[in-house]
Amino acid sequence: EAQVTQNPRYLITVTGKKLTVTCSQNMNHEYMSWYRQDPGLGLRQIYYSMNVEVTDKGDVPEGYKVSRKEKRNFPLILESPSPNQTSLYFCASSIQGVGELFFGEGSRLTVL
Amino acid sequence: QKEVEQNSGPLSVPEGAIASLNCTYSDRVSQSFFWYRQYSGKSPELIMSIYSNGDKEDGRFTAQLNKASQYVSLLIRDSQPSDSATYLCAVKNRDYKLSFGAGTTVTVRA
Repeated sequence: EAQVTQNPRYLITVTGKKLTVTCSQNMNHEYMSWYRQDPGLGLRQIYYSMNVEVTDKGDVPEGYKVSRKEKRNFPLILESPSPNQTSLYFCASSIQGVGELFFGEGSRLTVL
Repeated sequence: QKEVEQNSGPLSVPEGAIASLNCTYSDRVSQSFFWYRQYSGKSPELIMSIYSNGDKEDGRFTAQLNKASQYVSLLIRDSQPSDSATYLCAVKNRDYKLSFGAGTTVTVRA
C-alpha cells in the first residue's frame, strides 16, 4: 500500500527537549516536504527537499532542521522545542510535481 | 497580503445544492493550482488540479481558473453530506513552494 508514514502520531514534550519526527514514504517520490497546520493559518511549509541531499527552507523554518540522506526518509528535528511549536505537523511527498502531494496522517505535537 | 486567500466560511449548503468556493492569489507568475479536501481529524487529499485558464470538470467537482484576475474557484454540484469537509486552495509559486490558503469549511445539510 502506497503511504507516507509519520511517527510519533502524538507527542507531549517539554521546552528544550530535543525531538525528531520521522517521515518515510514507500512510493519512490523525489519531492518531500514538511508542513505545520494551525487554526486560522492553514498549512505553512517548513522545509522541502527536491531529492537526496537537497533541502531548502519553506516559509516558517525557524526552530526546525531536516535532513535527506535517503530518498524515502525525511525527518523533522526540533533541537530545542518551544511552546509556539505546538502544532499539527504533516509530511508529504510527490513524484508528479510540487503541487500534487500525498500526505501522511499527521503528528500532533504539544510543547509545555 | 497573504499569498493565498480563501473565503473564510463556514459555508452551509443543503443537500443537492451547489457549493461554491473561492480563492485568490497574489503571485502573478503562479502556474499551478490545486484543491485539497480535508476531513476533520484527517490529512489533506488532492481532489483537483488545474493549470490552464477555464474550467476543468471531474465528476461533481469543477475547478475554474482565471489567471488575469488571479482567481481560482471550486464548484461542488449535487452536494452530499460526505462532501462536508474543509477545502484548501493551494498555489505553486516559484522556487518549488506550495502555498495554502487557510481553508473553507463546508457543511452539507441533509
